[in-house]
Formats: sequence, structure tokens, C-alpha cells
Amino acid sequence: NAGVTQTPKFQVLKTGQSMTLQCAQDMNHNSMYWYRQDPGMGLRLIYYSASEGTTDKGEVPNGYNVSRLNKREFSLRLESAAPSQTSVYFCASMELAELKVPLYEQYFGPGTRLTVT
Amino acid sequence: AQSVAQPEDQVNVAEGNPLTVKCTYSVSGNPYLFWYVQYPNRGLQFLLKYITGDNLVKGSYGFEAEFNKSQTSFHLKKPSALVSDSALYFCAVSLDTGFQKLVFGTGTRLLVSP
Repeated sequence: NAGVTQTPKFQVLKTGQSMTLQCAQDMNHNSMYWYRQDPGMGLRLIYYSASEGTTDKGEVPNGYNVSRLNKREFSLRLESAAPSQTSVYFCASMELAELKVPLYEQYFGPGTRLTVT
Repeated sequence: AQSVAQPEDQVNVAEGNPLTVKCTYSVSGNPYLFWYVQYPNRGLQFLLKYITGDNLVKGSYGFEAEFNKSQTSFHLKKPSALVSDSALYFCAVSLDTGFQKLVFGTGTRLLVSP
């Protein structure tokens, strides 16, 4: 199993350009997440998808859109990139427990390092 | 709103010595607590979690953590540090809301010197 894969690994954009970050998981997980990691700020949730067909905003959704294409794939789109979106982006997936107790852990991809100039 | 605090940006320890990475949390309901580790240029990897039961939780690579409800803490520990333990460590909390959204701390860099 490849786990969680992300493409591209690196990207440089000019302000105003658009791009889509791709994420796929082969663990048959229901839930998927997009985070951004900035120095001194930990990881912050951008959007998540509890299951195929649903998406919801996280802590920092402004400037981003997502698509849960199918159970495997969850993409993040920047419509008009801004320097403030320079960050490392992580996708994660998790099996959703039937009970309210989070029995399972999240699995993370290797990240996409994005620079907006 | 729930939050976690990692008061130390960096922890330095000599190889073979015990290590502690601190985490405190603030939640209004039952806390579910996690530790993740990030090696350079990699994604986060799960280390251990506290859901319920025994306050001392054992995880991967010889790490353990102690849940202390009265002090609202969940410190990560290891009896004998290895140079290969050098990495960025994140504490995270999730509420029993029916869906697991994690709130992460800002991370603590652990440097183990030979």
C-alpha cells in the first residue's frame, strides 16, 4: 500500500495564479483532511471530508476550495494564490469509527511545499 | 474552544537520558489526546493516543505519555533517548463530537545529542 500520496511535492506560483493540489489514499478510509503547516503555528485544518460526497470548512478555509472526487481522492484548489498561502500542505485520511470515540489515527501524506511570490 | 499548548519550542537532551516533551490541553468535554512525530521532509506519524482507561499510555518506538486530568496535561516521555528520536513532536486534542477533528499544538523540536 502506498498510503496517502500527494502531488506535486513542490510548487512555485505567482500571485493570482491558480492550482490544484492532489491527494489520494489507498486504505479505503472514509474521512480525508487538508492541513497547512506554518512555522510556529502547528497544523491548521483547512477543509475536511467526513465521507464521500461531503465537505466542510475547517479553521482556515478562506482562499481555498476542495473536491471529494471519490472515496480515494480529495483535492485542494487555490483559485487566486496569495503570498499568505505560502506553506506546506498536508493531506490526511482516517477510518471513521462507528461510535463517537476516535478509535483510529490519521495517516498523513508527505506534503506539498508551496511558495507564492 | 479546545486547544493544546506546547510550552517549549525546543527540548535538548543527551542520548541515553530520559526525555519529556510537555503538553497541556483545554477542553470542555472529555479529551481525546494524541501525539504525532514529524521527521524532516516527511508527513506526521502517529505515536500514541489516550482515549480512556489507564492514564499511562504506551506507544511506538518506546514512547509513552501520562494523562493527568487534574493538571490537564499529557506529557510525552521516553526513558532513554536516541539520536534518531530527534524530530518535531506535535500534541493534538479531539473532542467526542462524533467526528474526529484534531486541534494541534505548535510543536516541540527535540534534539538528542550523541
